[in-house]
Amino acid sequence: DIQMTQSPSSLSASVGDRVTITCRASQGISNYLAWYQQKPGKVPKLLIYAASTLQSGVPSRFSGSGSGTDFTLTISSLQPEDVATYYCQNRRTFGPGTKVDIK
Amino acid sequence: QVQLVQSGAEVKKPGASVKVSCKASGYTFTSYGISWVRQAPGQGLEWMGWISAYNGNTNYAQKLQGRVTMTTDTSTSTAYMELRSLRSDDTAVYYCARGIDNWNYEVDYWGQGTLVTVSS
Repeated sequence: DIQMTQSPSSLSASVGDRVTITCRASQGISNYLAWYQQKPGKVPKLLIYAASTLQSGVPSRFSGSGSGTDFTLTISSLQPEDVATYYCQNRRTFGPGTKVDIK
Repeated sequence: QVQLVQSGAEVKKPGASVKVSCKASGYTFTSYGISWVRQAPGQGLEWMGWISAYNGNTNYAQKLQGRVTMTTDTSTSTAYMELRSLRSDDTAVYYCARGIDNWNYEVDYWGQGTLVTVSS
């Protein structure tokens, strides 16, 4: 199976900061990459699929990019409600997650 | 509105089996796949497998092959996941989730989760 890694494993940023999370695949996966947000004690929520397509209803401060092996999730202006763990997924494999906190 | 409602929490002994149900509503059940994902306490998400609600085709995670079976009942728009020979490390919240279409594994709507505890 393809392995997915994420970096960093956790980060702390100030409200309004631009935040970037990276997901790397062990081999090329075209654009088969989704991003999920999971708030503490809640069910995961789809943010982005096909690497860069924003799911309906997701705020436009979230964006995704990349193709092949390297992908990024960007939050253009971090908000308090964005405190969560973010996971990437390629088909059968989830990344280990990136925990985002407010500084 | 799309809803996936899962069965309630279960407590099982090692070696037993568990069957979790996931009743879908608010969309055409056979037009989307269903994935099952689990999350052990304090851990990340683990993909377990996928079933096409259209034709029943399945694809299971290699580590669960032989222990897991996913089925659907199109007459009731319900998906099922059965896990056998339970071990303590199967303790987790189990989620069903609707695929974004009938062939991809990315999911857009999730059930509320079912806690399965395996303990002697």
